[in-house]
Amino acid sequence: DTAVSQTPKYLVTQMGNDKSIKCEQNLGHDTMYWYKQDSKKFLKIMFSYNNKELIINETVPNRFSPKSPDKAHLNLHINSLELGDSAVYFCASSQEGFLNEKLFFGSGTQLSVL
Amino acid sequence: SQQGEEDPQALSIQEGENATMNCSYKTSINNLQWYRQNSGRGLVHLILIRSNEREKHSGRLRVTLDTSKKSSSLLITASRAADTASYFCATDAVGNEKLTFGTGTRLTIIP
Repeated sequence: DTAVSQTPKYLVTQMGNDKSIKCEQNLGHDTMYWYKQDSKKFLKIMFSYNNKELIINETVPNRFSPKSPDKAHLNLHINSLELGDSAVYFCASSQEGFLNEKLFFGSGTQLSVL
Repeated sequence: SQQGEEDPQALSIQEGENATMNCSYKTSINNLQWYRQNSGRGLVHLILIRSNEREKHSGRLRVTLDTSKKSSSLLITASRAADTASYFCATDAVGNEKLTFGTGTRLTIIP
């Protein structure tokens, strides 16, 4: 079984549309994250949740709204998609959210905005 | 600004050779981690080294940390084709509440 799974793997959409990416972890971890990887492979944190509570909210446009219905799920909804949103989005989890813990990543969602 | 920067950006070596990649960072850290990313996949944790450690081993991996130079190196010995991937360092800076990744070294092992 995949530890951290996210869907869809590929998402191609038009500018202005609204889309969601789903993430689930079956590791029993308390903390989940969304990262964005740009075309230069730079990986930047967007959000983190611990037990459904928002912990980190980086300077991300408010068009991006994470939702954590329970600690095993963290979804990402994006409104009014723009060309610059094209990137690979990774979900990740860690046991308790301490920085000396290893992160477990999903396989990514490649978002292409046309 | 980025905390960790890997060097070189890309590295190609023959199978069986050793591969060394470096990570430099700007501010004091608590821990440093190395991750591997295969093409089209998520990152996989390789090893964590704490700021009071100088060297760690895991199988064919050897990580060193020099806090005076604010740098770390990852050595992969006896490389295999399956080691072809991008390698990232991630730092946990003192006073910062998040893990910061570099842009990675793309390693290609030539069979």
